[in-house]
Amino acid sequence: GAVVSQHPSRVICKSGTSVKIECRSLDFQATTMFWYRQFPKKSLMLMATSNEGSKATYEQGVEKDKFLINHASLTLSTLTVTSAHPEDSSFYICSARSQGGEQYFGPGTRLTVT
Amino acid sequence: EDKVVQSPLSLVVHEGDTVTLNCSYEVTNFRSLLWYKQEKKAPTFLFMLTSSGIEKKSGRLSSILDKKELFSILNITATQTGDSAIYLCAVAPTSGTYKYIFGTGTRLKVLA
Repeated sequence: GAVVSQHPSRVICKSGTSVKIECRSLDFQATTMFWYRQFPKKSLMLMATSNEGSKATYEQGVEKDKFLINHASLTLSTLTVTSAHPEDSSFYICSARSQGGEQYFGPGTRLTVT
Repeated sequence: EDKVVQSPLSLVVHEGDTVTLNCSYEVTNFRSLLWYKQEKKAPTFLFMLTSSGIEKKSGRLSSILDKKELFSILNITATQTGDSAIYLCAVAPTSGTYKYIFGTGTRLKVLA
């Protein structure tokens, strides 16, 4: 089956610093990737849709200057949390859409901002 | 506004019990409904349903879609402790964005 990786799996950073999370589709090309955020015991909240070679589309309420998304190639999208604050601590999950239309999820990145 | 609602929000059962999880939706331009299981990490795919009345089965899990009444159910028979997880339902519209709309999830705990 299709494989999506995320790096890092876990990161702890200090308030005010920026953190970059990578999402890679390992065995297929993904023109569209999605970034989700998940709070404890809650469902996935879509943050943005990342399209290769164009600007990301952000969901309402998600600050585009805070959560920078770059989709530089058909297999890589990155999410950068800028000037992180403790309230940004969360589980961030990416997914990549295959040509068949299914979304395959990465293993997630747990971000803790101290 | 498109929405997906799952019930119950949480459920505690004993090993061997059968459970039914519900997912109802109101989505413009429905394409498919998907079920995922989430344990400690990211969701893993269970089923994708596009047609009404056709049951999909995988071992002790099965699911069916009713496009007239706008809901789906996920059944798990002879539950085991390893079935403990959050079960997520998502709907994929036919719009060009391809984004999924996720439900709130059902947290299932199976006691030994």
